[in-house]
Amino acid sequence: AQSVTQLDSQVPVFEEAPVELRCNYSSSVSVYLFWYVQYPNQGLQLLLKYLSGSTLVKGINGFEAEFNKSQTSFHLRKPSVHISDTAEYFCAVNSGGYQKVTFGTGTKLQVIP
Amino acid sequence: GAGVSQSPSNKVTEKGKDVELRCDPISGHTALYWYRQSLGQGLEFLIYFQGNSAPDKSGLPSDRFSAERTGGSVSTLTIQRTQQEDSAVYLCASSTDSSNQPQHFGDGTRLSIL
Repeated sequence: AQSVTQLDSQVPVFEEAPVELRCNYSSSVSVYLFWYVQYPNQGLQLLLKYLSGSTLVKGINGFEAEFNKSQTSFHLRKPSVHISDTAEYFCAVNSGGYQKVTFGTGTKLQVIP
Repeated sequence: GAGVSQSPSNKVTEKGKDVELRCDPISGHTALYWYRQSLGQGLEFLIYFQGNSAPDKSGLPSDRFSAERTGGSVSTLTIQRTQQEDSAVYLCASSTDSSNQPQHFGDGTRLSIL
């Protein structure tokens, strides 16, 4: 079975400050990991994904995430946030085959001017 | 190219009525998901279609909910005898048949039960 935990439901951060959104996963096999962003009144869109290879993955809008197998984590980071980054962020895992994707409960990022 | 299209974008109906929500996935995508997102809540998985396999209905909250996917393309989510707790945004997503590919989401249908 696979699962995803996003411990922080809300993260307030000042504009131009760095941010880290935490994601931990559980799976008995190799995983594919994803981060999605949801802006108000929209569906989710892909920020970045980890499939294999380099553990540091770069995505859109200046975000990056690092896959850490020993800590079963896939934290999302941005060195300097902008007001436009205010949104909800979802971590997701898929263990392969035809198993469905499992999403975390989401983290609301609030960027304060 | 065209993304995932959901209709209607908004639906207001009276308690007890049936509603149908439609999802047009991206052409060629064999996997299709339905999720529910209640106010302030995360994504709640409802149902998953993958190719010609039997759908995974494990997330449907009650027998009032059903979904079908015709011809491996368009999907309809039906809610019978709607209740106020069914009010939510219903999101559809599609992807290719490979588990390492991301899902592409529609903008959702906002359902309000009066």
